[in-house]
Amino acid sequence: EAQVTQNPRYLITVTGKKLTVTCSQNMNHEYMSWYRQDPGLGLRQIYYSMNVEVTDKGDVPEGYKVSRKEKRNFPLILESPSPNQTSLYFCASSPQRQYYGYTFGSGTRLTVV
Amino acid sequence: AQSVSQHNHHVILSEAASLELGCNYSYGGTVNLFWYVQYPGQHLQLLLKYFSEDPLVKGIKGFEAEFIKSKFSFNLRKPSVQWSDTAEYFCAVAPYGNNRLAFGKGNQVVVIP
Repeated sequence: EAQVTQNPRYLITVTGKKLTVTCSQNMNHEYMSWYRQDPGLGLRQIYYSMNVEVTDKGDVPEGYKVSRKEKRNFPLILESPSPNQTSLYFCASSPQRQYYGYTFGSGTRLTVV
Repeated sequence: AQSVSQHNHHVILSEAASLELGCNYSYGGTVNLFWYVQYPGQHLQLLLKYFSEDPLVKGIKGFEAEFIKSKFSFNLRKPSVQWSDTAEYFCAVAPYGNNRLAFGKGNQVVVIP
């Protein structure tokens, strides 16, 4: 089944403790992206990657890092999480040509206390 | 960069009523346009998309959207809603040939049986 898999689905952590949210897709998509969803703000793009070893900042990159060493994986790293990073995170992928739209993962609900 | 505006963030209506959600975008060039739906507790799913074709686009579950270039609008419609249409709806836009999707803040739609 074609899908984007995120792990974990739920995570509660403490301020300052480094964490990684994994994202993997099995559709051989070139493009991958991370979004955060907050009530009343919709989805905002954190980082995106056009292909392996090619990443760039989205609209709200502060406090996040990403890497794209393999085509299928695009982990999101929070080096020192803070409470304002409590949010619902979605990973998405698409073919290089956007015509098909994104395929989204099931989301990761992160709480930083 | 492109941006998207959605109005009437909270909509409550009865089953069999008609639904129309407004979406306006700002971008000077050619665009691809999308509507996504997020059912409670789930990830985003593509409802329909527009790119360089008939301005009236038909999607899944009886939804359709009309692209009016002169108004920079891509409004979503459904003639007769069902309780199962209770969800949040997001409009999104990407410049033609570019994968960077910008989302609106969403419309929370509640359908009362």
